[in-house]
Amino acid sequence: SAVISQKPSRDICQRGTSLTIQCQVDSQVTMMFWYRQQPGQSLTLIATANQGSEATYESGFVIDKFPISRPNLTFSTLTVSNMSPEDSSIYLCSVVWREVPYEQYFGPGTRLTVT
Amino acid sequence: AQSVTQLDSHVSVSEGTPVLLRCNYSSSYSPSLFWYVQHPNKGLQLLLKYTSAATLVKGINGFEAEFKKSETSFHLTKPSAHMSDAAEYFCVVSPSDSWGKFQFGAGTQVVVTP
Repeated sequence: SAVISQKPSRDICQRGTSLTIQCQVDSQVTMMFWYRQQPGQSLTLIATANQGSEATYESGFVIDKFPISRPNLTFSTLTVSNMSPEDSSIYLCSVVWREVPYEQYFGPGTRLTVT
Repeated sequence: AQSVTQLDSHVSVSEGTPVLLRCNYSSSYSPSLFWYVQHPNKGLQLLLKYTSAATLVKGINGFEAEFKKSETSFHLTKPSAHMSDAAEYFCVVSPSDSWGKFQFGAGTQVVVTP
């Protein structure tokens, strides 16, 4: 299995600012994803981070708000832009380490509070 | 299109008694199904997975789940609850035609009483 780390683990940010979250994996993975978990809620897929190309966003999420980079097979960043209190959530990255059978491993998450 | 419904938002059990967490899914294609557990302030941990092999799947910590295609269900069970089983449990569906596109259920909060 892959070891996944995220930085920062938590942060408190002011409204209108941006935060970049990093996800680092200790081995090359095929796919990387970003999820959001709002307080008391389940996880929602934000986007698939594609290596060397633009991320693929799910309905309701846009690149201007959540720009994503994935420069190589072990690293990705998610930026939460122009934050509002509604962006307060846990943000998690996940990876698919084996093509079959679809095992997906999750990072520890970044707890974001926007004031 | 795919979706997953966890039928109970909260389940309370006594230590040593069986646990049943119910999950129904909808998927246009043969799905892969998973159960994840999330302990307070901890990351998500994979309990078990079904990927078109044996319909009865055994996972970690004594959990198992049975895939029933006719009922579109994938219920999670454990014969004897332990205090450490108190956590949030998520049923997840991933269709075979959308690799990695996980659809999470709303979650079931499990409380274990002594």
